[in-house]
Amino acid sequence: GAVVSQHPSWVICKSGTSVKIECRSLDFQATTMFWYRQFPKQSLMLMATSNEGSKATYEQGVEKDKFLINHASLTLSTLTVTSAHPEDSSFYICSARVVKRTGNYGYTFGSGTRLTVV
Amino acid sequence: GENVEQHPSTLSVQEGDSAVIKCTYSDSASNYFPWYKQELGKRPQLIIDIRSNVGEKKDQRIAVTLNKTAKHFSLHITETQPEDSAVYFCAASKGSASKIIFGSGTRLSIRP
Repeated sequence: GAVVSQHPSWVICKSGTSVKIECRSLDFQATTMFWYRQFPKQSLMLMATSNEGSKATYEQGVEKDKFLINHASLTLSTLTVTSAHPEDSSFYICSARVVKRTGNYGYTFGSGTRLTVV
Repeated sequence: GENVEQHPSTLSVQEGDSAVIKCTYSDSASNYFPWYKQELGKRPQLIIDIRSNVGEKKDQRIAVTLNKTAKHFSLHITETQPEDSAVYFCAASKGSASKIIFGSGTRLSIRP
């Protein structure tokens, strides 16, 4: 259980275009979704936290007008990279908080999206 | 905010030997410490986690220790196998609605 489906798994786009990445929670309600970016051979860097029905909270240095996050329902959160440039090429991955049967919480990750901007 | 430091960045061990990866965190309010294994181009996979109310947890060949006073936690892998080769990340979180902050990662290589 607690599966997050992320699409697309990879995308190539031209500079200046926009790309939308979707994360869906398949068997639970994701009230909070975290969006990370991972450059090659580096760690996962948190970009923003989105809560269903409210504005996302962005980490310092992340442009909110460039990385648009929408979390309009309990099962869907989207990240749109607007006016993409080659330096936005990266691995983007979402993560949702999950409450386990024990009452403890954990986090489940989407499968990631490899974005290449040419 | 929370800062998680991880060492070493690379680690090579002989198959069958043990591997230890260490992390420190800065925010004493952090109370959840997961460890993830990530293979190239894939999502992080949770391998073990520990909460602040315990000092040690073990699952077969994998164990994690937590020292809250020193704000240190470590991953121990015993009897290493080739399939243990991957990048390992430690992480810390402050509570049920909080974000996870990741360490910088350790690339573990198991020599046959």
